[in-house]
Amino acid sequence: QVQLVESGGGLVKPGGSLRLSCAASGFTFSDYYMSWIRQAPGKGLEWVSYISSSGSTIYYADSVKGRFTISRDNAKNSLYLQMNSLRAEDTAVYYCAREGSSGWYPLPYWGQGTLVTVSS
Amino acid sequence: AIRMTQSPSSLSASTGDRVTITCRASQGISSYLAWYQQKPGKAPKLLIYAASTLQSGVPSRFSGSGSGTDFTLTISCLQSEDFATYYCQQYYSYPSFGPGTKVDIK
Repeated sequence: QVQLVESGGGLVKPGGSLRLSCAASGFTFSDYYMSWIRQAPGKGLEWVSYISSSGSTIYYADSVKGRFTISRDNAKNSLYLQMNSLRAEDTAVYYCAREGSSGWYPLPYWGQGTLVTVSS
Repeated sequence: AIRMTQSPSSLSASTGDRVTITCRASQGISSYLAWYQQKPGKAPKLLIYAASTLQSGVPSRFSGSGSGTDFTLTISCLQSEDFATYYCQQYYSYPSFGPGTKVDIK
């Protein structure tokens, strides 16, 4: 079955960096677009970034553009989110989710999430 | 960016009640609308996509309707396991979510 497992979250100081990973299994990873979505404590869901199956198309939410970088390694069935210049408002649970094979899709598969806390 | 709004932001209901949640998009999104259920500490679960198509394994008491800018999620007969927060999401363009509707026990 489809499984997505995030890792890499933790406590980081403002201005610091963190790299999140998402290990995928149970499907042909290289066929699917992937997204990162986050949820601040007690708040709603916010889409963060999206990458096409080949990695050639990438989008970011305005709130993270220029600070976050999404990437993937299809040989390792892994998705990444490099987060730089972190701010307190980036504190959230970060989920990876599987998109469709092209374009925008609803999200039937999510990981369990990894918590990122930005605090001094 | 397409903004999504939901109403109400919260509601109290009893088991067996019929519950309706409304979602509105700031511009037309055709039927590119999904509904999710989220319980505390868990990832969201897809309930409905394409505005009215039930995701596999989701009970038939959940239904969705609408197109363009106005959508509804209906739970026909609320069960104890349905107390949760519900989000709508448009995937017509860069995805965006509604702020959520918390359904709790009256």
